[in-house]
Amino acid sequence: GAVVSQHPSWVICKSGTSVKIECRSLDFQATTMFWYRQFPKQSLMLMATSNEGSKATYEQGVEKDKFLINHASLTLSTLTVTSAHPEDSSFYICSATGLYNEQFFGPGTRLTVL
Amino acid sequence: AQSVTQPDIHITVSEGASLELRCNYSYGATPYLFWYVQSPGQGLQLLLKYFSGDTLVQGIKGFEAEFKRSQSSFNLRKPSVHWSDAAEYFCAVGSWGSGGGADGLTFGKGTHLIIQP
Repeated sequence: GAVVSQHPSWVICKSGTSVKIECRSLDFQATTMFWYRQFPKQSLMLMATSNEGSKATYEQGVEKDKFLINHASLTLSTLTVTSAHPEDSSFYICSATGLYNEQFFGPGTRLTVL
Repeated sequence: AQSVTQPDIHITVSEGASLELRCNYSYGATPYLFWYVQSPGQGLQLLLKYFSGDTLVQGIKGFEAEFKRSQSSFNLRKPSVHWSDAAEYFCAVGSWGSGGGADGLTFGKGTHLIIQP
């Protein structure tokens, strides 16, 4: 149990385009999901907290207009990177909170912006 | 603000030898502590967690960790490592939000574990 999936696992896009990444909790409902960003050989940095039915809460320094988050249901949160640029290339990881508030992580999405 | 320090970027251990990965945290209240493992191409897997109670926590894959409040540490140990343990290990600290739900985690920079045959 407690499986979190992400789609796509890998995406390449042109500079200026937008990319949507989905995060799904497959066998449980998650009122809260988190989005993290991981640069190569570095740690995960929390970007935002996504609560079902409400606006996301962004960490300091994260542009909310750049990284649009929607949490439309208890099993789905989406992250849209708008007008992507090469510096947005990174590994994006989501997590979903379980029954006891522990976090289960998705496998990540590698974004490459050309 | 909370923070996590993993002082060892790389650690090399011979297969069958014991392992200890260090983690120090900074947090004003009682911390909620986690160890995750990340293998190439795979997501983060929770090894163990400490919320309260017994300070020696048992996890999966033969790992354990001990919470020492006086030292602000939560070191990960394994008595005998296997080649399959080679991976990136992250220590993380969490907290509860004002609404009672979990806040996002603060991660250390990770320790890359190399297993020598």
